[in-house]
Amino acid sequence: AQKVTQAQTEISVVEKEDVTLDCVYETRDTTYYLFWYKQPPSGELVFLIRRNSFDEQNEISGRYSWNFQKSTSSFNFTITASQVVDSAVYFCALRSPRDNRLAFGKGNQVVVIP
Amino acid sequence: GAVVSQHPSRVICKSGTSVKIECRSLDFQATTMFWYRQFPKQSLMLMATSNEGSKATYEQGVEKDKFLINHASLTLSTLTVTSAHPEDSSFYICSARGTGDYEQYFGPGTRLTVT
Repeated sequence: AQKVTQAQTEISVVEKEDVTLDCVYETRDTTYYLFWYKQPPSGELVFLIRRNSFDEQNEISGRYSWNFQKSTSSFNFTITASQVVDSAVYFCALRSPRDNRLAFGKGNQVVVIP
Repeated sequence: GAVVSQHPSRVICKSGTSVKIECRSLDFQATTMFWYRQFPKQSLMLMATSNEGSKATYEQGVEKDKFLINHASLTLSTLTVTSAHPEDSSFYICSARGTGDYEQYFGPGTRLTVT
């Protein structure tokens, strides 16, 4: 069975601070895909990143960065210099290529205080 | 590219009635569509997977007679909540996957309120 754990439920930060969201996953597959999505108050899921299990390079996209550590089954997400527009729920998800089903974590509610 | 729409975006219905939610892939052919349900402050839970022209596969605990899914064409899947109850009030999100494409593209969601 696949499982994604996002332990922090709500995180509040003051604008311009950095915030790191932890994601730990469990899977028996050797090949799999990891995702981060943003869900603003409107509800629509916004795709942020996909990482396959063979690519452990960290990635930076603007103020967003991701740290994939296969040895600890973690795929953490950092927002640098947070802004009010970053306030949203962020979901980490895991997909198995066997059935393409996505398993979502419980999400992190990020509140950026101006 | 890869745009998925849902209609309606919000719907209010009375208890005991049925409501239909549409999910459309606008610029690609969706061989597989997924339906998720999200209760307030909770995660997305997969309800069912449907392949075009086939019966949907429901997740454990999801009543197939209550949540009717039809995927009759490569661009449209519908979810009908039959005999809706207040506990069915939720945010329903669909996603679609095209032929040879392993990505899921999400619709904007439909907020259902049953009074």
